[in-house]
Amino acid sequence: SQQGEEDPQALSIQEGENATMNCSYKTSINNLQWYRQNSGRGLVHLILIRSNEREKHSGRLRVTLDTSKKSSSLLITASRAADTASYFCATVSNSGYALNFGKGTSLLVTP
Amino acid sequence: NAGVTQTPKFQVLKTGQSMTLQCAQDMNHNSMYWYRQDPGMGLRLIYYSASEGTTDKGEVPNGYNVSRLNKREFSLRLESAAPSQTSVYFCASSEANNSPLHFGNGTRLTVT
Repeated sequence: SQQGEEDPQALSIQEGENATMNCSYKTSINNLQWYRQNSGRGLVHLILIRSNEREKHSGRLRVTLDTSKKSSSLLITASRAADTASYFCATVSNSGYALNFGKGTSLLVTP
Repeated sequence: NAGVTQTPKFQVLKTGQSMTLQCAQDMNHNSMYWYRQDPGMGLRLIYYSASEGTTDKGEVPNGYNVSRLNKREFSLRLESAAPSQTSVYFCASSEANNSPLHFGNGTRLTVT
């Protein structure tokens, strides 16, 4: 079953604005990962945050993790049209092996 | 360095036909995976191989078989295709479980 669920399902913003996506999961995790998928392409890994970390940055990306609430957020600052894509969170439970993906957030950034 | 390569990119099958989706990675990764992606369903794990010589079922294994031919290659076989198997299939690899996945660009399969 899917471990992570993203919210919102779809998000439309203008260039320069910030985009925030949320992810909730169900069981204890080792780490949580965020991926991006451009239309017609495979997923690309963006950032990994470990269960003992609360915040992580990579360029314009900021990820937070709250293990007590079993939730994570991905913030994209100063968005660009090229950020238009679907974004997925993924987790492996402590008792599992492979990554389980949520259904994704579809982000549209308009010029 | 090609990463993860999947073939074919597109395929149309008739119900009952069989086919094998090929996947190869050149990153010397231990673990490989097959996912399917359907609208509104996200990605669902079909099978995975933690290391050369081992394979395990994922969330939706029915109707599929896999072979970890060697460390580089992990194939997915549909013995008797059904319309419910119409989907986009992604192969991925990682150094180990919990490591980031590297994905191929997918095989778009239609079963009529």
